[in-house]
Amino acid sequence: AQSVTQLGSHVSVSEGALVLLRCNYSSSVPPYLFWYVQYPNQGLQLLLKYTSAATLVKGINGFEAEFKKSETSFHLTKPSAHMRDAAEYFCAVSEQQGYSTLTFGKGTMLLVSP
Amino acid sequence: NAGVTQTPKFQVLKTGQSMTLQCAQDMNHEYMSWYRQDPGMGLRLIHYSVGAGITDQGEVPNGYNVSRSTTEDFPLRLLSAAPSQTSVYFCASRGAGVQETQYFGPGTRLLVL
Repeated sequence: AQSVTQLGSHVSVSEGALVLLRCNYSSSVPPYLFWYVQYPNQGLQLLLKYTSAATLVKGINGFEAEFKKSETSFHLTKPSAHMRDAAEYFCAVSEQQGYSTLTFGKGTMLLVSP
Repeated sequence: NAGVTQTPKFQVLKTGQSMTLQCAQDMNHEYMSWYRQDPGMGLRLIHYSVGAGITDQGEVPNGYNVSRSTTEDFPLRLLSAAPSQTSVYFCASRGAGVQETQYFGPGTRLLVL
């Protein structure tokens, strides 16, 4: 069985500050890991994914995440927050099998203040 | 490409009514799925399909029915709506490999009174 824990349902930062959204996973087999973003009243959009290649993954809009097997973590970071980054972020995990399903965390709402 | 489309965008039902949420994709994806999103719960998988004629249950399948007669369409049926099914429903699709990007529709907001 696989699961995802996102620490903090809400994270507040000032514009220009570092963004750090935490994700820890539990999986009995090597996982694939994903970060999705959801802007208000929209569907989810893929930010980045880890699929067993480089452990440091760069995504869209300046976000990146590092897969750390020893810590079972896949935290999302961005050096400098913009107002447009305000959204809800979801971490997800799946097994490395063709038709495995995605298991999502409960989400973290990122609030950006001027 | 339109990507993943969902209809309707918003629906109000009375308890006991039935309805079908429509989902279509034009990317020739084998894998399609339905999720519900509730505050503080993230997205939970209802049903999924790995190809025409093949469906399986996810984490929260009770009260929902699906079928997959074509590659493009994957409707979700509520058999007898209950207030607990008030939620936002998302359809998603991706290619055959789990590493493939999953594309989401814009969602359907359902209110059951």
